[in-house]
Amino acid sequence: TQLLEQSPQFLSIQEGENLTVYCNSSSVFSSLQWYRQEPGEGPVLLVTVVTGGEVKKLKRLTFQFGDARKDSSLHITAAQPGDTGLYLCAGAGTGGFKTIFGAGTRLFVKA
Amino acid sequence: NAGVMQNPRHLVRRRGQEARLRCSPMKGHSHVYWYRQLPEEGLKFMVYLQKENIIDESGMPKERFSAEFPKEGPSILRIQQVVRGDSAAYFCASSPRDGNNYGYTFGSGTRLTVV
Repeated sequence: TQLLEQSPQFLSIQEGENLTVYCNSSSVFSSLQWYRQEPGEGPVLLVTVVTGGEVKKLKRLTFQFGDARKDSSLHITAAQPGDTGLYLCAGAGTGGFKTIFGAGTRLFVKA
Repeated sequence: NAGVMQNPRHLVRRRGQEARLRCSPMKGHSHVYWYRQLPEEGLKFMVYLQKENIIDESGMPKERFSAEFPKEGPSILRIQQVVRGDSAAYFCASSPRDGNNYGYTFGSGTRLTVV
């Protein structure tokens, strides 16, 4: 069974700080996605990474896919209160149909 | 509005009743996925459908749960004889093709409460 473990589970920081959240697995994934979910809403896709070692940037967010395609990280620079939310990583297995989700990192950025 | 539409947003059912959750995918999307989310948890895969076909239902309980995506109309997730443990948020997502390498577009979910 493929599993995705996210860490930390919860993170509370001050506005302006930097942070990194992690998504790890013992399985290889054909791609990984990162989503952000706000209370009462569905997840919103932030990025998809496909190639081992790939780095993608989205304004203050930097996403990296591990060389072996088993892990990923999300780095936020100069966090803002608007970054508050639940960050979910999701992995598409090789040869399978379904995408599985990690339990998420709940980020709270204080003004 | 071309987003994924789910209704109702909130649904309250008494134990033993039936719950019907609807999902209209984005225009042009023919792949639909249903996920379930408990409070403070991630999303658990339930079922993957294409028009008139169930592709993968490995995450859906064998009893009381069923899903369909007819040629015309929305996808329906049906839960018969609901129990308190069915209380959760149910999310539908769609993609224009097998979304595994492209990501999904999610709806806002249906929050089911069984009393």
